[in-house]
Amino acid sequence: GQQLNQSPQSMFIQEGEDVSMNCTSSSIFNTWLWYKQDPGEGPVLLIALYKAGELTSNGRLTAQFGITRKDSFLNISASIPSDVGIYFCAGQLIQGAQKLVFGQGTRLTINP
Amino acid sequence: EAQVTQNPRYLITVTGKKLTVTCSQNMNHEYMSWYRQDPGLGLRQIYYSMNVEVTDKGDVPEGYKVSRKEKRNFPLILESPSPNQTSLYFCASSTGENTEAFFGQGTRLTVV
Repeated sequence: GQQLNQSPQSMFIQEGEDVSMNCTSSSIFNTWLWYKQDPGEGPVLLIALYKAGELTSNGRLTAQFGITRKDSFLNISASIPSDVGIYFCAGQLIQGAQKLVFGQGTRLTINP
Repeated sequence: EAQVTQNPRYLITVTGKKLTVTCSQNMNHEYMSWYRQDPGLGLRQIYYSMNVEVTDKGDVPEGYKVSRKEKRNFPLILESPSPNQTSLYFCASSTGENTEAFFGQGTRLTVV
């Protein structure tokens, strides 16, 4: 099936640092979503992007839908301990039924 | 409260013993799906349903069955579980007009 390449796979940072992660694909997507998963919980939607070039913020989080429709990035500014978790990108393909393709996830660890 | 509810949260079973994981949503969503989450692979779609009595295979459907007799329920059935189906399973739902999927809390299945 389709795949998204998400990087980095893991990050170890100090509290207060900024974080950047991205997803790329060889396929074109018409929607990009970013989710966060806390331990023992299901993924929770952070940001949804619907148009190429779109830049959207949600508090300290900023995400962009790449112009080529094949990539997206998520930035977290001034990280805090509760940002710890696994972040997933997900894309919806233009063709076919409504289905999401997920990246492998970025595990974020923060040292206080 | 809008939610997707999965049961059970944890299940240990033996190879070959049929089991069902239930999923119910109270948001009147048309679209429901099942994912499995494995380390390093992110979430992979097993089956999805775009409405009552309409289901289709996702990326990893082998060994699974689903049914959608009512809009709110979308059970996942493993007729003859095998150890390679040991995983963390998530049910998700969304409206038919966007892909902002809402996830359940997950079911951790172990097949011995």
